[in-house]
Amino acid sequence: EVQLVESGGGFIQPGGSLRLSCAASGFTFNTYNMNWVRQAPGKGLEWVADISGDGTSIFYADSVKGRFTISRDNDKNSLYLEMNSLRDEDTAVYFCARDRGIIVVPFPFYFGVDVWGQGTTVIVSS
Amino acid sequence: EIVLTQSPAILSLSPGERATLSCRASQSVSSNYLVWYQQKPGQAPTLVIYGTSRRPTGFPERFSGSGSGTDFTLTISRLEPEDFAVYFCHHYGSSRTFGQGTRVEIK
Repeated sequence: EVQLVESGGGFIQPGGSLRLSCAASGFTFNTYNMNWVRQAPGKGLEWVADISGDGTSIFYADSVKGRFTISRDNDKNSLYLEMNSLRDEDTAVYFCARDRGIIVVPFPFYFGVDVWGQGTTVIVSS
Repeated sequence: EIVLTQSPAILSLSPGERATLSCRASQSVSSNYLVWYQQKPGQAPTLVIYGTSRRPTGFPERFSGSGSGTDFTLTISRLEPEDFAVYFCHHYGSSRTFGQGTRVEIK
């Protein structure tokens, strides 16, 4: 069974740091892009960061650039999100998700996120 | 940065009715990168449509997508009880933008 399981969420004071993890199983991990998407309470979805299968291509949303670091360990089938200088507005459920990224052949195409984790909650508050 | 604006914010309909959800981009986007997700309370999103009009394998045929340029539409031909949820459009471009969502609620 294809599965993504997040962990590492919790309650943290502003300015603090937290590391989220996502354990993947049931598929060939290094052939997929991996993503972090978050959802603040009662709000919509926000794409946070993504990383290519080999880890060489990384994207960050402007709202987290310079504070968050996405990484992966393909030997451990794991995805990580290191979050520093946390702010109140970082409070959200953080979802781990997989996709194929942009498929170039025969033409550029995006197939969407086909597997999501259940999410881990991060609360930033004093 | 591309902004996606969804309308209406809330759609109140009865089971069996047709739902039409709009997603408008602030500038022309590639239809190959336009995706729709469904999200039910307390759950992670689910892929509904990708590439503007393609359904994932096994997803109900009552869901269809269309559009190009700046205007995209998700249509649910006949609402089933399990379709009442929030729907987000998403463009996988340089800013990975989501729309703010349309809630389809039971009238």
